Amino acid sequence: GAGVSQSPSNKVTEKGKDVELRCDPISGHTALYWYRQSLGQGLEFLIYFQGNSAPDKSGLPSDRFSAERTGGSVSTLTIQRTQQEDSAVYLCASSLEVWSPEAFFGQGTRLTVV
Amino acid sequence: AQTVTQSQPEMSVQEAETVTLSCTYDTSESDYYLFWYKQPPSRQMILVIRQEAYKQQNATENRFSVNFQKAAKSFSLKISDSQLGDAAMYFCAYPGLEYNQGGKLIFGQGTELSVKP
Repeated sequence: GAGVSQSPSNKVTEKGKDVELRCDPISGHTALYWYRQSLGQGLEFLIYFQGNSAPDKSGLPSDRFSAERTGGSVSTLTIQRTQQEDSAVYLCASSLEVWSPEAFFGQGTRLTVV
Repeated sequence: AQTVTQSQPEMSVQEAETVTLSCTYDTSESDYYLFWYKQPPSRQMILVIRQEAYKQQNATENRFSVNFQKAAKSFSLKISDSQLGDAAMYFCAYPGLEYNQGGKLIFGQGTELSVKP
């Protein structure tokens, strides 16, 4: 696609439910990144993919968070048993390669846990 | 540890005037990139300008320019002839190019810029 696409744009879920956030990167981009932006806090790196593999998952805040990428393209970030502190904007970015100097961001998914 | 610090949570500028946003960083690397991103209410992070550390010349993109002081580890953004559309959150960012961390970006805390008509 022309840009990084994220869906849904907004998601309201009840505490304890599972949610899936989707990221469709720019076609041909091998690297994909997930960040979390919480109110009053900065942008927090969660995980990145090189192709389908995620070399470093240490940024995921808890074992309730997981992510996968299939076919070297679309990625899903899954949050199980959501908590109110999970409420945030989740941003996805992609770059041509891991060492590319420029990353392109999607518009994010605003997750609200009630 | 690599860190990025923006000490100005909020800034305000009159339309058509010039404003400078500050950023300092800490790294032991000698060659790296630095970025300024803009985040309008639409939430999408937009790259404003980037600087390559090995280049002595400060980067310029239209009304946006940087003052890069490598020894001082300072990377400020100057916006000239400010426009209403420049109002946004601005983030300074540094790629954490540590082994096994790819090109992940380390962001500063952000500076909220408002432009007064």
